[in-house]
Amino acid sequence: RKEVEQDPGPFNVPEGATVAFNCTYSNSASQSFFWYRQDCRKEPKLLMSVYSSGNEDGRFTAQLNRASQYISLLIRDSKLSDSATYLCVVKNNAGNMLTFGGGTRLMVKP
Amino acid sequence: DAGITQSPRYKITETGRQVTLMCHQTWSHSYMFWYRQDLGHGLRLIYYSAAADITDKGEVPDGYVVSRSKTENFPLTLESATRSQTSVYFCASRTGTANTEAFFGQGTRLTVV
Repeated sequence: RKEVEQDPGPFNVPEGATVAFNCTYSNSASQSFFWYRQDCRKEPKLLMSVYSSGNEDGRFTAQLNRASQYISLLIRDSKLSDSATYLCVVKNNAGNMLTFGGGTRLMVKP
Repeated sequence: DAGITQSPRYKITETGRQVTLMCHQTWSHSYMFWYRQDLGHGLRLIYYSAAADITDKGEVPDGYVVSRSKTENFPLTLESATRSQTSVYFCASRTGTANTEAFFGQGTRLTVV
């Protein structure tokens, strides 16, 4: 079983739609969680950190469920520019390493 | 320029040759990482370094060598390139503080023929 798992998609949604991605992690000792965004043939970039209480940044909301060991990302009012691959990332304090999920591809259509 | 840079951006090499991918960061971040990204596998950690002269293996270290004689540089060497090492390689850096962002270089697209 992979340490961080995501549905690879693609998720095809119309502009203005709300879309949600989930990610599960296997290591209960994981301490920090992030969502990264990766555009085609580019490097990953931080979208947002995920805090225990949940957090929101504009149209993006991230939530963490430690009991069930999953992280979610909600995108409201999807834009064409949201089309990308979204990477779930988990950090274990023991090694300060980031472990990446395989990514979920989002395609927003006009 | 400030940031994290990788070179070369593209490289084609032959099986059996040694090739070195360079990574340079200007922030004095303590941690540096090398990942490879392949279709169906996502980003996998090859090696990482917590500080100068401290390196450790990641998930897929076989066939790779790293060094970190200076904080700002973290070269990755393929000792004898194989076709299975055809991939996109990303270098990243971050501070040692929890919950801080990792910054990635633009990647090196390596093809082994």
